[in-house]
Amino acid sequence: NAGVTQTPKFRVLKTGQSMTLLCAQDMNHEYMYWYRQDPGMGLRLIHYSVGEGTTAKGEVPDGYNVSRLKKQNFLLGLESAAPSQTSVYFCASSPPRVVNTEAFFGQGTRLTVV
Amino acid sequence: LAKTTQPISMDSYEGQEVNITCSHNNIATNDYITWYQQFPSQGPRFIIQGYKTKVTNEVASLFIPADRKSSTLSLPRVSLSDTAVYYCLVRIYNQGGKLIFGQGTELSVKP
Repeated sequence: NAGVTQTPKFRVLKTGQSMTLLCAQDMNHEYMYWYRQDPGMGLRLIHYSVGEGTTAKGEVPDGYNVSRLKKQNFLLGLESAAPSQTSVYFCASSPPRVVNTEAFFGQGTRLTVV
Repeated sequence: LAKTTQPISMDSYEGQEVNITCSHNNIATNDYITWYQQFPSQGPRFIIQGYKTKVTNEVASLFIPADRKSSTLSLPRVSLSDTAVYYCLVRIYNQGGKLIFGQGTELSVKP
């Protein structure tokens, strides 16, 4: 059981380049989330999705777009990367309820924008 | 959005009980208090979640007073492998169950 898998694990981009981070979960979860974590900081929510075809903004959505075309996948896009987007990105998923459930996190994608 | 405040760092020794207190003064009626653990270069891992009173699992206990404005995570008999960052979170009931992270508490367990 793979859980939450993020692709790629590492990436270096030049300023202005674009890329897509893939999050895949095999637990049939409805809810999925994208976070970023800067050094010495807690995680900040970028976007989230409560189901296939739906997305919503989190705390820091500017500069990012997301899509949830399939239930098991949640894509995070950077259209024009900036050095300020250098960070570790985490994806998470959970069942469609809060009580007696937990969110499962992937291992992260370390992105450097030069 | 509910914000949490917890100590930036704590030190302990192996075998001791560690209590980390978190304040969440603006927690909404339906929201849940959740604690996660994070090791370097890894994603956060769920520890425990509660709504009120006391919750216990095989790893930790969570104490939440009646007013729910604070909570305390209790780790019994810590070991060196418990050295990590511990996050107190509010899980938002009405917004896709999203987790709002604070700064976290860096726990250092010494021999």
